Amino acid sequence: EAQVTQNPRYLITVTGKKLTVTCSQNMNHEYMSWYRQDPGLGLRQIYYSMNVEVTDKGDVPEGYKVSRKEKRNFPLILESPSPNQTSLYFCASSLSGGSPYEQYFGPGTRLTVT
Amino acid sequence: GNSVTQMEGPVTLSEEAFLTINCTYTATGYPSLFWYVQYPGEGLQLLLKATKADDKGSNKGFEATYRKETTSFHLEKGSVQVSDSAVYFCALRSYGGATNKLIFGTGTLLAVQP
Repeated sequence: EAQVTQNPRYLITVTGKKLTVTCSQNMNHEYMSWYRQDPGLGLRQIYYSMNVEVTDKGDVPEGYKVSRKEKRNFPLILESPSPNQTSLYFCASSLSGGSPYEQYFGPGTRLTVT
Repeated sequence: GNSVTQMEGPVTLSEEAFLTINCTYTATGYPSLFWYVQYPGEGLQLLLKATKADDKGSNKGFEATYRKETTSFHLEKGSVQVSDSAVYFCALRSYGGATNKLIFGTGTLLAVQP
């Protein structure tokens, strides 16, 4: 089954404790992206990747890092999480980044930073 | 810059009622327009899309028409069901951009009562 998976689905952590949210897709997609969803703000893009070893900032990249060492994986790293990073995070992928191909979304990771 | 404005919710309807969720956009050029749906506890799924003016996207009884003159992409359904209860997001992607970034509205919660 074609899908985007994220782990963990729920995470509660404390300020400053490094964490990684994994994202994996099995559709051989070139383009992958991370969004955060906050009430009243919709979804905002954090980082994106056009292909392996090619990543760039989205609209709200502060406090986040990403890497794309393999085509299927695009982990989101919070080196020193803070409470304002409490949010619902979605990973998405699409066949290509240069055309309006459909984006497929993962199920989401709900992160709480205390 | 590009932006999407959609009506605030929640929208509460009885089963078989007519649904309209308003969406207007601001964008340079000729964006592609999308409606995504998010069922409780799940990621976003593409519901329908339109890529040029006067196009009508349709799926599962929902439809929306790309109106360039009013910069709108309102979502409609003639007879809603309880299973349509979800959050609906209007989104755009600017044509010709370097990435497949979607600009989302804030989402509209639809609650359908039996």
